[in-house]
Amino acid sequence: SQELEQSPQSLIVQEGKNLTINCTSSKTLYGLYWYKQKYGEGLIFLMMLQKGGEEKSHEKITAKLDEKKQQSSLHITASQPSHAGIYLCGAVTGANSKLTFGKGITLSVRP
Amino acid sequence: NAGVTQTPKFQVLKTGQSMTLQCAQDMNHEYMSWYRQDPGMGLRLIHYSVGAGITDQGEVPNGYNVSRSTTEDFPLRLLSAAPSQTSVYFCASSYSGGRYQPQHFGDGTRLSIL
Repeated sequence: SQELEQSPQSLIVQEGKNLTINCTSSKTLYGLYWYKQKYGEGLIFLMMLQKGGEEKSHEKITAKLDEKKQQSSLHITASQPSHAGIYLCGAVTGANSKLTFGKGITLSVRP
Repeated sequence: NAGVTQTPKFQVLKTGQSMTLQCAQDMNHEYMSWYRQDPGMGLRLIHYSVGAGITDQGEVPNGYNVSRSTTEDFPLRLLSAAPSQTSVYFCASSYSGGRYQPQHFGDGTRLSIL
């Protein structure tokens, strides 16, 4: 079974709109990571969250970690075509430091 | 700054052939890992290593072999290629696994098995 569930599976938004995507773990989180991937390319690290309630921002992207819900959200403000891509969350859910990933969310931004 | 280097970038194999995907990092990272990415499946962990001489299985290890003789290199071997192994393979590294450090990813190897 998938340890990390990402929602929605895909998203199409109009340029300038805000959006939120989620990542929910079925196990205790010891570290949560967000990556972005352009089609056919490698993964780009966005943010790392480790503590409950932690919130980090970079440019127009904000990520939060809700430890009680074992969930992280990633919010994009005033979306731009450059935000389009696949957003993957990865997490460590055990003591062995293995990083596993969700299936990813495909974001399209219409000009 | 080379980071994580994967070779080759593209490869086509016939069923039953064997090959080695190369991964090298120049950041003195202890932790290295291999993932495969398939449409709709996200990234799935194949094997990982917490240091030279130490490897362990991930979610989908069958059909793959790894070894870690040096800190820098972590090759992935396909013993007898099968069409189900057609995928994009990513190698990643970090100082201490996933708990405290983000992993750095290579650009991927696109592998097709005919």
